[in-house]
Amino acid sequence: AQSVTQPDIHITVSEGASLELRCNYSYGATPYLFWYVQSPGQGLQLLLKYFSGDTLVQGIKGFEAEFKRSQSSFNLRKPSVHWSDAAEYFCAVGLNTGTASKLTFGTGTRLQVTL
Amino acid sequence: DVKVTQSSRYLVKRTGEKVFLECVQDMDHENMFWYRQDPGLGLRLIYFSYDVKMKEKGDIPEGYSVSREKKERFSLILESASTNQTSMYLCASSLRFYNEQFFGPGTRLTVL
Repeated sequence: AQSVTQPDIHITVSEGASLELRCNYSYGATPYLFWYVQSPGQGLQLLLKYFSGDTLVQGIKGFEAEFKRSQSSFNLRKPSVHWSDAAEYFCAVGLNTGTASKLTFGTGTRLQVTL
Repeated sequence: DVKVTQSSRYLVKRTGEKVFLECVQDMDHENMFWYRQDPGLGLRLIYFSYDVKMKEKGDIPEGYSVSREKKERFSLILESASTNQTSMYLCASSLRFYNEQFFGPGTRLTVL
């Protein structure tokens, strides 16, 4: 069974600093990988996704992620964090069961931004 | 624009009550999903549906059932609510054979 690990429960960065959120997955085949963001009291919004091809993926709000097969990782990065980026971030791996597409989520990383 | 709506943002129920959570999507998506979200546990899949009247159990189906009578609507049912079902419930939908899921705003359910 596939699994996703987000080793950092909580991260604090200063506004303007760079950010990297870690994600490791366990899956036998080539995975579909996603990063979602959840603002307080809201549902999840897709930041970016990787299906195949270029291993560096660009997303919305200035985020990018790099798929590294050798490390089973899909880390999320942003060169300069804004206060509005404070939220919870979820990494997910997708699996096609034959009937539908299921996602397995990590436990999330809460980002705090200090001014 | 893609839209998934959930019937309530906040809900308070008593132990033993039957609870219905409704989800509607306007994207003509084949697949619909119900998750619960708890601190430190992330999102866990309860049930999903890949077509009208079709459903499959997710990772934590115990104590829940679902209904999908129309393509756009997917209901989560708690037959007899218990305090350990107090949680945030998120609905999502996706195109067939595509993994990207679109989420509703969530329903925060409190069972007293």
